[in-house]
Amino acid sequence: QSVVTQPPSVSGAPGQRVTISCTGSSSNIGAGYNVHWYQQLPGTAPKLLIYDTTNRPSGVPDRFSGSKSGTSASLVITGLQAEDEADYYCQSYDSSLSGHVIFGGGTKLTVL
Amino acid sequence: QVQLQESGPGLVKPSETLSLTCTVSGGSITSHYCSWIRQPPGKGLKWIGYIYYSGSANYNPSLRGRVTISVDTSKNQCSLKLNSVTAADTAIYYCARGPSSSGFSDYWGQGTLVTVSS
Repeated sequence: QSVVTQPPSVSGAPGQRVTISCTGSSSNIGAGYNVHWYQQLPGTAPKLLIYDTTNRPSGVPDRFSGSKSGTSASLVITGLQAEDEADYYCQSYDSSLSGHVIFGGGTKLTVL
Repeated sequence: QVQLQESGPGLVKPSETLSLTCTVSGGSITSHYCSWIRQPPGKGLKWIGYIYYSGSANYNPSLRGRVTISVDTSKNQCSLKLNSVTAADTAIYYCARGPSSSGFSDYWGQGTLVTVSS
């Protein structure tokens, strides 16, 4: 069971906008720790998608954006494309676990 | 371009020790952390632990006592040892550069599947 919670699955049609939530608590996201997002395409390693809550590494399309409010964070994907079908994980730290790294349980995005 | 590559046995017997090495190329392991993360088949990511190039390490409490991560800066490598393995330790094991000061891992290895079975 993950300390931060993500919906198991979300879906959307090509061109649509989808939001993936990452809900934590006062000891992790709510404590001010940054949230990071990873995209894992089928059969591949995770890839850093969003770092420090809102920043995109070089090469990541601006269709992907991140935000945070209170004890939750969100990943928004606009202009959904078939190639976006993947698993998405949020990640942060947790102060109740001596600053240990925590991952959300992951969200499977299906492009209809 | 920084690249990480995991290596080690793909099959380990129950109660034995799982040993993996991560070799970093295209950049120095110095001044960075090296993390190990695993993913059981069909499941999510689980952080195992990380080590700084100086040798300071931090481990997931759920694995503490069974896990050791070490670093060899002369070889640009970090290593994972997990002892007393069971079938529950069957997973894809990833090494990654990080966490950064704010917590993210920017470069990941391709992962290696380790199966625990007799």
